[in-house]
Amino acid sequence: GEQVEQLPSILRVQEGSSASINCTYENSASNYFPWYKQEPGENPKLIIDIRSNMERKQTQGLIVLLDKKAKRFSLHITDTQPGDSAMYFCAASGGTQVVGQLTFGRGTRLQVYA
Amino acid sequence: GPKVLQIPSHQIIDMGQMVTLNCDPVSNHLYFYWYKQILGQQMEFLVNFYNGKVMEKSKLFKDQFSVERPDGSYFTLKIQPTALEDSAVYFCASSLAGAGNTLYFGEGSRLIVV
Repeated sequence: GEQVEQLPSILRVQEGSSASINCTYENSASNYFPWYKQEPGENPKLIIDIRSNMERKQTQGLIVLLDKKAKRFSLHITDTQPGDSAMYFCAASGGTQVVGQLTFGRGTRLQVYA
Repeated sequence: GPKVLQIPSHQIIDMGQMVTLNCDPVSNHLYFYWYKQILGQQMEFLVNFYNGKVMEKSKLFKDQFSVERPDGSYFTLKIQPTALEDSAVYFCASSLAGAGNTLYFGEGSRLIVV
């Protein structure tokens, strides 16, 4: 199976600054790493993902980095806004799996204050 | 974006009763999943389903759980009988293809067993 560790569990940042969330995984065969944002009472929504053939991906103020050697991947939110406040979950899948079972980290509660 | 619909959004039932949670996946998707999320925690994989069969299930998928998708109808999760520890939000997800493909989550069904 796969285990995903995610830190920090809570992150408070001032509006306009950047926020970073880090995850590690155990199964070196995992090859797909999505990030989901979940607001209270809502479903998790995919915000960005990265596959093992890339080391960096950027879209709309989000940057994800993947270090396969260290089995570590991270999400960086630049220029945070109050609307970025939510729970963020990293996940990993792939490897020997046939079907796309995702293993999630425990989540990071991001709070952006003015 | 693609939408996964779940019915009911919430249900309260007595311990020992049966409950069926319904999911209408994205129309052209072939892989279906159930995840369980206890308040404040991450989503945990229960089961995935493809071509009419369970492909993988976790240890959380107890003998009291079953899934099916009769032709052209909902993908369902049935719990019979329910136990107090089954109280959680159950998220259905679907993906177009298998490992490494994006999972789209429904809004969740909040189950409270009393």
